[in-house]
Amino acid sequence: SQQGEEDPQALSIQEGENATMNCSYKTSINNLQWYRQNSGRGLVHLILIRSNEREKHSGRLRVTLDTSKKSSSLLITASRAADTASYFCATDPTGGGNKLTFGTGTQLKVEL
Amino acid sequence: KAGVTQTPRYLIKTRGQQVTLSCSPISGHRSVSWYQQTPGQGLQFLFEYFSETQRNKGNFPGRFSGRQFSNSRSEMNVSTLELGDSALYLCASTPGGGYTEAFFGQGTRLTVV
Repeated sequence: SQQGEEDPQALSIQEGENATMNCSYKTSINNLQWYRQNSGRGLVHLILIRSNEREKHSGRLRVTLDTSKKSSSLLITASRAADTASYFCATDPTGGGNKLTFGTGTQLKVEL
Repeated sequence: KAGVTQTPRYLIKTRGQQVTLSCSPISGHRSVSWYQQTPGQGLQFLFEYFSETQRNKGNFPGRFSGRQFSNSRSEMNVSTLELGDSALYLCASTPGGGYTEAFFGQGTRLTVV
């Protein structure tokens, strides 16, 4: 079963705008990861945040983690058409990255 | 460095048949995990193999099985296929250790008719 929900399910924005996606989860975690998936293909790892971290940046990505609320958010700044994809959060209970529990995903569409 | 390779990419099978999917992990990675992705259930963990042993298992019926070879390549098998087994099957490899991302293959799209 899935760990939790992602919100919103779908998001449509204009190029240059920021996109924010939220993820809630249910159990304790070692770390939380965000992945991107283009058109039903493989997942690409974006960023990993450890349970003792609150915020992390990578290029145009910013991730926050609130373990007290069991929630995380992914912010993509200055979105581009190439960012159009589905985004999934995944919780990792062990830290080994080998038994991930995924959220329901957010479909992001960035229009020119 | 070559990525995770899954074969075949597409497969069509008839209900009741069995199927075997293959996954070659990134060189040096010893852990291989399998996931099923469907529109209704999303991404779900099937099982994980490490050093030829199943180390973790998800909540799937016994028709779903797997194995790992000494070179870390892994296969998963689904017997007595059902229409609901139609899905994208993804495998991921990890190098081990803590705070590790998973590296995914492109998946095998299985259609059961």
